[in-house]
Amino acid sequence: SQKIEQNSEALNIQEGKTATLTCNYTNYSPAYLQWYRQDPGRGPVFLLLIRENEKEKRKERLKVTFDTTLKQSLFHITASQPADSATYLCALAPANQAGTALIFGKGTTLSVSS
Amino acid sequence: DAGVIQSPRHEVTEMGQEVTLRCKPISGHNSLFWYRQTMMRGLELLIYFNNNVPIDDSGMPEDRFSAKMPNASFSTLKIQPSEPRDSAVYFCASSAGTSSYNEQFFGPGTRLTVL
Repeated sequence: SQKIEQNSEALNIQEGKTATLTCNYTNYSPAYLQWYRQDPGRGPVFLLLIRENEKEKRKERLKVTFDTTLKQSLFHITASQPADSATYLCALAPANQAGTALIFGKGTTLSVSS
Repeated sequence: DAGVIQSPRHEVTEMGQEVTLRCKPISGHNSLFWYRQTMMRGLELLIYFNNNVPIDDSGMPEDRFSAKMPNASFSTLKIQPSEPRDSAVYFCASSAGTSSYNEQFFGPGTRLTVL
């Protein structure tokens, strides 16, 4: 069956460290992956998109990698801050289903302590 | 732009009652999505529309759920009759274009509690 998994439900790190979140998928061939941030009581907010032919994408302190061989995307936040504490969701768009909407993972809740 | 607008923000109802959730997408967006989020199942797509036409409703749990998009600026998700297991946060999202490549803009959600 098709699955998208985010390995950790929760990740706790200290301020200033790099947070690394993992998104694995099986039985999909995604054309691209998106990452979203969700704060409590709010809807998800788009952060980054990476295409299948891109190895890495950066935006300020955020970096996303995409390994189609490992079927994995990694999401890094460098120099993490308490304000980065939130739930991060990965979402993929299957390449073989044109026009199909995104499929979301359950998310990883990141807590950054000062 | 005010973003995606959802109403009500909170709804508490009794089992068997009809519930109607409303969504106003961002002006000019061509796609609209309804999601349900629970701790157990995460964020699940219920149905989505492209240019007001339903494209995929395979995520709608059962016949008790129905969704409409009578025009480009309004959509409803109706549950009739409601059951306690329908308790969840329901999100509406919209995106420009009709490709899943486009980022989605989410509303604040409606927290539904069915007693």
